[in-house]
Amino acid sequence: DAGITQSPRHKVTETGTPVTLRCHQTENHRYMYWYRQDPGHGLRLIHYSYGVKDTDKGEVSDGYSVSRSKTEDFLLTLESATSSQTSVYFCAISESSFDTGIDTQYFGPGTRLTVL
Amino acid sequence: SQKIEQNSEALNIQEGKTATLTCNYTNYSPAYLQWYRQDPGRGPVFLLLIRENEKEKRKERLKVTFDTTLKQSLFHITASQPADSATYLCALDITGNQFYFGTGTSLTVIP
Repeated sequence: DAGITQSPRHKVTETGTPVTLRCHQTENHRYMYWYRQDPGHGLRLIHYSYGVKDTDKGEVSDGYSVSRSKTEDFLLTLESATSSQTSVYFCAISESSFDTGIDTQYFGPGTRLTVL
Repeated sequence: SQKIEQNSEALNIQEGKTATLTCNYTNYSPAYLQWYRQDPGRGPVFLLLIRENEKEKRKERLKVTFDTTLKQSLFHITASQPADSATYLCALDITGNQFYFGTGTSLTVIP
């Protein structure tokens, strides 16, 4: 499982409140990612990081911010949660495949977020 | 923008048959394409990747083809088993470490 944990695993919050999701990895991977997964849309990239303090936007970054102050932790913040941000959020890392040398993704267990 | 399409409808097949899943993409010429499996309540798990210069790749009962002219990849599971029931996702690495995923195809293998 590439040593990836996410917290919390489930959260219910109200519209307008701030929410922070945490992704923690134990294997010193450089690249980390946040995705959201919704029916009919599949997995969509929110933000990713290519090192401490180095982050970039993905396909659906509006309403989200991220921070990476340590290699092992990648935080996703919803500054003011909206109902449209109700989703399952997955953290992932990239690791080179042993036989191909090409990066593949390893995912955490996910966080189910409900915004009422 | 990049668009990746997979069979939108769920696929039900009889145990022992071959399941074939389709991944079509537009607006890009990827150097390789990846397939993942996702079980309910869990994150996707990497299965196979195929490079643009490989027409076919096999791993045990799995076979992937890649037609860069048609912009299509086919994912086959031979001698399917109920344990193969899951959602299967294809993915493209667009810019080097930015991955775009299809919506996935739900497969059910009926005993």
